[in-house]
Amino acid sequence: NAGVTQTPKFQVLKTGQSMTLQCAQDMNHEYMSWYRQDPGMGLRLIHYSVGAGITDQGEVPNGYNVSRSTTEDFPLRLLSAAPSQTSVYFCASSRSRTTEYYGYTFGSGTRLTVV
Amino acid sequence: LAKTTQPISMDSYEGQEVNITCSHNNIATNDYITWYQQFPSQGPRFIIQGYKTKVTNEVASLFIPADRKSSTLSLPRVSLSDTAVYYCLVGALGFNQGGKLIFGQGTELSVKP
Repeated sequence: NAGVTQTPKFQVLKTGQSMTLQCAQDMNHEYMSWYRQDPGMGLRLIHYSVGAGITDQGEVPNGYNVSRSTTEDFPLRLLSAAPSQTSVYFCASSRSRTTEYYGYTFGSGTRLTVV
Repeated sequence: LAKTTQPISMDSYEGQEVNITCSHNNIATNDYITWYQQFPSQGPRFIIQGYKTKVTNEVASLFIPADRKSSTLSLPRVSLSDTAVYYCLVGALGFNQGGKLIFGQGTELSVKP
């Protein structure tokens, strides 16, 4: 049981490049989310999904796309990287309902630098 | 989503009890109160959740008064390893906030020897 796996752990992009941050979970969680965290700041929600085929925008969605074709995977696409997207990105997942609540499980993060 | 207000930072010493209070004046009837802990360079970790009165687990206690407009996270006998940022979340649509989990600024707790 690996939990939430994010790849890559580190990435350097040039301005204008595109890339996909991968997120996979093996806990059969319905809910998945992407956050970004800038230095010294709290987490900001980018996009989230409540199930396969269903996604919605969070607080800071511009410049990012997501899709959820399977329960396990929730990739985040940067369309045209900008220096303002330099950040640490966290993926998280959770059950939609349960008699005991264990909260969201977070991945270890992807550290992205855009030069 | 109910807005939360918590202190930006707190200092404590090893062995002390730490209480972090979160204000959420606009909490709705079906909102739950949830706390997360985040260590440097790691993702947040769920600590505790409650709806009313008191909830206790092996890590912390959560006190919620009858009007639910505030809540207090209590960490008993803190150690250096409790140095972290603590986030209070209050969300609509019940305990999982309908999938839309919004974090505020958090409280940076520094535990000194």
